[in-house]
Amino acid sequence: GENVEQHPSTLSVQEGDSAVIKCTYSDSASNYFPWYKQELGKRPQLIIDIRSNVGEKKDQRIAVTLNKTAKHFSLHITETQPEDSAVYFCAAYSFSGGYNKLIFGAGTRLAVHP
Amino acid sequence: DAGVTQSPTHLIKTRGQHVTLRCSPISGHKSVSWYQQVLGQGPQFIFQYYEKEERGRGNFPDRFSARQFPNYSSELNVNALLLGDSALYLCASSFGTGGYEQYFGPGTRLTVT
Repeated sequence: GENVEQHPSTLSVQEGDSAVIKCTYSDSASNYFPWYKQELGKRPQLIIDIRSNVGEKKDQRIAVTLNKTAKHFSLHITETQPEDSAVYFCAAYSFSGGYNKLIFGAGTRLAVHP
Repeated sequence: DAGVTQSPTHLIKTRGQHVTLRCSPISGHKSVSWYQQVLGQGPQFIFQYYEKEERGRGNFPDRFSARQFPNYSSELNVNALLLGDSALYLCASSFGTGGYEQYFGPGTRLTVT
């Protein structure tokens, strides 16, 4: 079945460093890849997304890259701040089996230390 | 604009009981998706509805059902509750199906005892 793998499961960085989270997907028909940030006890919040016709997208300190051939995409956070600490989820939109569904990775717990 | 709303916020049920969770999407959005998030895991897709029709279904048993109303709000029903159904149930709103941005509601925390 469809699958999204996410690495690493935990990531600890010093404030000001960069953080990179990587995901791979299995459904070659996937064309939409969002990233969500979830703080403890709160809803997942959409922070950036990328579509298959684009290789890279940037929004201030956050960027996402997509390699459709290799079926992987990554989230890059530069100049990390303590408020970036949260769980980050990647996801891929799958159309296989005749149904539309958003498949999530297992999450990366990012800790930014002052 | 109001965001996605869900009710109730918390719910405690006993094994074997039935539960109904409710979701109201962002104004102008016609699609609602339901997800189950077990503690420490990513959201798992349950259903997607668009224009009152089911457009997506995840790997959940038939005890789980949903529907969408003419005003695009939605209900998720779970029958014969099991302990393993304890989770955060999230509703996501989007303009349509396919690669549209999905915005999540605050969720309903269901505890089955």
